[in-house]
Amino acid sequence: GAVVSQHPSWVICKSGTSVKIECRSLDFQATTMFWYRQFPKQSLMLMATSNEGSKATYEQGVEKDKFLINHASLTLSTLTVTSAHPEDSSFYICSASTGDYSNQPQHFGDGTRLSIL
Amino acid sequence: DAKTTQPNSMESNEEEPVHLPCNHSTISGTDYIHWYRQLPSQGPEYVIHGLTSNVNNRMASLAIAEDRKSSTLILHRATLRDAAVYYCILRPSGGSNYKLTFGKGTLLTVNP
Repeated sequence: GAVVSQHPSWVICKSGTSVKIECRSLDFQATTMFWYRQFPKQSLMLMATSNEGSKATYEQGVEKDKFLINHASLTLSTLTVTSAHPEDSSFYICSASTGDYSNQPQHFGDGTRLSIL
Repeated sequence: DAKTTQPNSMESNEEEPVHLPCNHSTISGTDYIHWYRQLPSQGPEYVIHGLTSNVNNRMASLAIAEDRKSSTLILHRATLRDAAVYYCILRPSGGSNYKLTFGKGTLLTVNP
């Protein structure tokens, strides 16, 4: 149980286009989902916390107008990278949790590798 | 957030036990100790977590020091599939502080 599906797993697009990444909890409801970014040889950095039915909370230094997050249902959150540029190329990973967050694991998707040409 | 300290890398041989240490000297009484691992080109995977007592599951064991200032993740028989970066993370209980803050972790290499 507790499967998180992320789509697409890999995308290449031209500079200036917008890219949408989906994160779905397949067998549980997730009131909160998290979006991370990971550059090569580096650790995961939290970008934002996505709450169902409300605005996302962004970490310091993350442009909310560039990284649009929508969490319209208890099983789906989307991250849209608007007007993507080569420096946005990275590995984007989502996760979801249920219940009492401190005593519950987070379940991660397999990530989306984004390459901007 | 309370921080953790892990060795940058460790090496093991296949089918031998592996002990991955984590120091967390500033841990508070309500912090849970979580372990995740990340295989190459994949998202992290939950391994185990605990508060005060040692914990066992199908993947690993977690040994927590009596003063809780350190813990050890134990893989009883390493396989090639266990080669990954292992992250030790503290998660405060209560309130809304449920974010996971990843450090650099320990890169485990398993030799055949």
